[in-house]
Amino acid sequence: AQTVTQSQPEMSVQEAETVTLSCTYDTSESNYYLFWYKQPPSRQMILVIRQEAYKQQNATENRFSVNFQKAAKSFSLKISDSQLGDTAMYFCALGETSGSRLTFGEGTQLTVNP
Amino acid sequence: SAVISQKPSRDICQRGTSLTIQCQVDSQVTMMFWYRQQPGQSLTLIATANQGSEATYESGFVIDKFPISRPNLTFSTLTVSNMSPEDSSIYLCSGDRITSYNEQFFGPGTRLTVL
Repeated sequence: AQTVTQSQPEMSVQEAETVTLSCTYDTSESNYYLFWYKQPPSRQMILVIRQEAYKQQNATENRFSVNFQKAAKSFSLKISDSQLGDTAMYFCALGETSGSRLTFGEGTQLTVNP
Repeated sequence: SAVISQKPSRDICQRGTSLTIQCQVDSQVTMMFWYRQQPGQSLTLIATANQGSEATYESGFVIDKFPISRPNLTFSTLTVSNMSPEDSSIYLCSGDRITSYNEQFFGPGTRLTVL
């Protein structure tokens, strides 16, 4: 069975600073996908960034980047230059290569303070 | 990515009744999924909605309680049957196109309160 663990239930950061959210996972598959989703108070789940496990290069999307450590089964999200609009619940998710099922972590509530 | 809409966005229901939630995608998707998210918690997959065949349910979820339909590639419904207060939750649907990214995108959710 696949599992995803986010050990930080809550985090806070000052505006313009950098914050890193942690995620570890476990899977028996050799190829898979990893995602970070953001869920603001509006409830809409928004994809922040994705990583294919077969790619060694860490994904980046503007202010968001990941540190993917395949051997350690670790997938952390770094948010640079934090903005007030980044305040949200962040979910790490693991996806199978077939069938597309996602397994979500427990979530980290991030608050960006002015 | 495609846009997903859900109806209703919220509802308050009496125990023992049933509610059907609709999920509409603005373009064809390969897979559709239904999740439950209880307040302050993560998402739990209820089932995968298969076009033209029965849904595939996850452990702990049964068809009698959560019947699902998917008549075509852009539409699905989830019914929450014989509701109890424990069914109060947010229900989200998602869609997925099999691309190199294997990405799921989500609807805005339906907030259900059962009294």
